[in-house]
Amino acid sequence: AQKITQTQPGMFVQEKEAVTLDCTYDTSDPSYGLFWYKQPSSGEMIFLIYQGSYDQQNATEGRYSLNFQKARKSANLVISASQLGDSAMYFCAGNSGYALNFGKGTSLLVTP
Amino acid sequence: EAGVAQSPRYKIIEKRQSVAFWCNPISGHATLYWYQQILGQGPKLLIQFQNNGVVDDSQLPKDRFSAERLKGVDSTLKIQPAKLEDSAVYLCASSLVAGEKNIQYFGAGTRLSVL
Repeated sequence: AQKITQTQPGMFVQEKEAVTLDCTYDTSDPSYGLFWYKQPSSGEMIFLIYQGSYDQQNATEGRYSLNFQKARKSANLVISASQLGDSAMYFCAGNSGYALNFGKGTSLLVTP
Repeated sequence: EAGVAQSPRYKIIEKRQSVAFWCNPISGHATLYWYQQILGQGPKLLIQFQNNGVVDDSQLPKDRFSAERLKGVDSTLKIQPAKLEDSAVYLCASSLVAGEKNIQYFGAGTRLSVL
């Protein structure tokens, strides 16, 4: 199973600035997927972005991009032009088949 | 398209009581998951279904937890009897395909408090 590590318990960013949330993973499987989810205070886990281990390019979805460095086993989430509504918990997750293994999450607070 | 539906949203019970949670996945999604999220942690898989069958229940405390998925659609998760440490958010998720790119879509969760 994949082990996911998120070392930033909390982050602050000013509105309209970019922020990077760190994620490292540990797996011996050659094929795997990496995911980022957002969890606002309402509790629902919202899928943001996916990166496959064999993908040649970094994934992007609107203001979200994934800085995938395979050799360093890192999959950092970059949020550009932060908005107040981006304040939430962010979870990195990985799989090698079915179920997801989640990190402990990073709490992001966007300030005006 | 409707998302994953869960009920109830909140439940408060006393220890040793029983409780059941219900989940309706996204239409057409064959795979259904139940996760437990304890405060301050990421979700942890309890059980995974592929259609009617159980794929992985290795982390389900089977002495008190049970789950079923009737007709490959809705699912219920039951705890009997509940312990204080079962206080958590129970998340249901579903996905269309299995494999590495199985994007899982989550419901809003059921927040359980055991007193």
